[in-house]
Amino acid sequence: ILNVEQSPQSLHVQEGDSTNFTCSFPSSNFYALHWYRWETAKSPEALFVMTLNGDEKKKGRISATLNTKEGYSYLYIKGSQPEDSATYLCAKKDRSNYQLIWGAGTKLIIKP
Amino acid sequence: EAGVTQSPTHLIKTRGQQVTLRCSPISGHTSVYWYQQALGLGLQFLLWYDEGEERNRGNFPPRFSGRQFPNYSSELNVNALELEDSALYLCASSLSWDSPYEQYFGPGTRLTVT
Repeated sequence: ILNVEQSPQSLHVQEGDSTNFTCSFPSSNFYALHWYRWETAKSPEALFVMTLNGDEKKKGRISATLNTKEGYSYLYIKGSQPEDSATYLCAKKDRSNYQLIWGAGTKLIIKP
Repeated sequence: EAGVTQSPTHLIKTRGQQVTLRCSPISGHTSVYWYQQALGLGLQFLLWYDEGEERNRGNFPPRFSGRQFPNYSSELNVNALELEDSALYLCASSLSWDSPYEQYFGPGTRLTVT
């Protein structure tokens, strides 16, 4: 993997259902993995920053895991609510230049 | 604590003109980043400044430039505006560049080029 890739590109989920999506990144020169939530008409807001292989972070109904050896991170949302509708961005911080490399995002739409 | 601020909020310019966008980072943050989000596209990295120096730039032409002032605020300048420069320009700041710290984003400047 040369770039940070997120899948799926978009996702429609029924309110109350749980969902997850993936961020894949080059495992070389790994320093940190960031997750951001970007709601319409607002600015991106940091959800998690993870640095260690096996890291798991949780904030309310949202959690994330990290596998730096194979180069992926999962974001989970339990019991989706309409306010979870947003684009979720991940970004890998590269140790070679400390630059954030951004994925294109997963657009999540929660259907009431 | 005040967040990242940007000005102006909206701007309409004519093709060929020049524009300056401004950003004030969170107090204590030394790194400032500029991003462009054009319609239908994701976040595109433009420029990164730290301690007054340009640390890196994205794949944008030289007519996109900027600077960071001693108080860590920053300007983004775009010369010879083109229609495709119409976009939301976001500024972000972080505590330091050589750490895992997250970036904090401002509300953005919406630039329309006609």
